Amino acid sequence: DVKVTQSSRYLVKRTGEKVFLECVQDMDHENMFWYRQDPGLGLRLIYFSYDVKMKEKGDIPEGYSVSREKKERFSLILESASTNQTSMYLCASGGGTQANYGYTFGSGTRLTVV
Amino acid sequence: AQRVTQPEKLLSVFKGAPVELKCNYSYSGSPELFWYVQYSRQRLQLLLRHISRESIKGFTADLNKGETSFHLKKPFAQEEDSAMYYCALRSGGSEKLVFGKGTKLTVNP
Repeated sequence: DVKVTQSSRYLVKRTGEKVFLECVQDMDHENMFWYRQDPGLGLRLIYFSYDVKMKEKGDIPEGYSVSREKKERFSLILESASTNQTSMYLCASGGGTQANYGYTFGSGTRLTVV
Repeated sequence: AQRVTQPEKLLSVFKGAPVELKCNYSYSGSPELFWYVQYSRQRLQLLLRHISRESIKGFTADLNKGETSFHLKKPFAQEEDSAMYYCALRSGGSEKLVFGKGTKLTVNP
């Protein structure tokens, strides 16, 4: 019963490419999040969205943008990929009373920029 | 600013020994604290939340507001407990989860 789906498990992109990471949730949650996970640094919030077309910057938004045109879908965009964006990217969703139960995470997208 | 500190990057114990993973937080209001776990090659999943005062897989965690801590404990560790553990904080009025840097627990046979 997968609830948060990230479209790609592994991606390899070239420096300077525009990269799209897609995330879909089927739980009708208001909130969706993008984190990056790096060894020794834990999870750092890039952007989050609390409603359709609404977004807020997280702790490390530089070099990233997001799009949320529909409630179930939250996209992370790397405008011009760089090698320091090589990382594991995690999408999560949650909302309303569900927020008290923590958030549901996707299985992650491991992005390598060469 | 909200901050979560997990002082140990690595923790190694033997099977059957007690284990405690430390978590301290910095937040002036009333926080909501969570523990997440990530087993090898699996997605991050919620283990515990302080508001429920539950025990999951033998793990418990108590919020100590005086010491601003939310340590995760288990009296008898099992090999299947080996995983990466993250402590997380959600502040009142915000939907953001702030994570610590994680502790990798290894339970040796």
